[in-house]
Amino acid sequence: DAGVIQSPRHEVTEMGQEVTLRCKPISGHDYLFWYRQTMMRGLELLIYFNNNVPIDDSGMPEDRFSAKMPNASFSTLKIQPSEPRDSAVYFCASRPEGAGANVLTFGAGSRLTVL
Amino acid sequence: AQKITQTQPGMFVQEKEAVTLDCTYDTSDPSYGLFWYKQPSSGEMIFLIYQGSYDQQNATEGRYSLNFQKARKSANLVISASQLGDSAMYFCAMREDASGTYKYIFGTGTRLKVLA
Repeated sequence: DAGVIQSPRHEVTEMGQEVTLRCKPISGHDYLFWYRQTMMRGLELLIYFNNNVPIDDSGMPEDRFSAKMPNASFSTLKIQPSEPRDSAVYFCASRPEGAGANVLTFGAGSRLTVL
Repeated sequence: AQKITQTQPGMFVQEKEAVTLDCTYDTSDPSYGLFWYKQPSSGEMIFLIYQGSYDQQNATEGRYSLNFQKARKSANLVISASQLGDSAMYFCAMREDASGTYKYIFGTGTRLKVLA
């Protein structure tokens, strides 16, 4: 299993530009989560999906952020327009359905720098 | 209110010694899960250990054990026989199940430095 795959690994952009981060969850995992990590705020849950449906987006900072999951194997997190305060590492994570431990498996993260 | 509290921003431990990283949590859900993750300097998040709220025994995984004290709402991570490679950030996390949301909330982390 290739694990959770995120792209790009690094992104440097200028303020005002659109940024799209991508995630491919582990095959068979029904839940997908987007987190943002900064020194000031730690790991924040932005949004999560179950069976491609957004369940809780209360962590999305503002309207500039949007996330989609058009199918079970792909999700995007878009920031438009980007601002310097959006600089962070964005993690995607997935887990399977069902009871039990259901460990979150994380991708390697996308480090975003907005100049 | 903070759901997960890690009060130790940084810790030092001598190689081969044991170390305890503290975590307290706050929930009214009877069913929940507690997790510890390790984040080395390379940045990836690595799962270490899990404890379910109904588990009677403390979880163990190799050199990692979770000291689960339900009444005190604490879930401390114990690393035995520390190694230089254990130097990393460690995050405690909780998932509340009964509410049906399945959100995983993380603490602010503890940075552990193992000294040779």
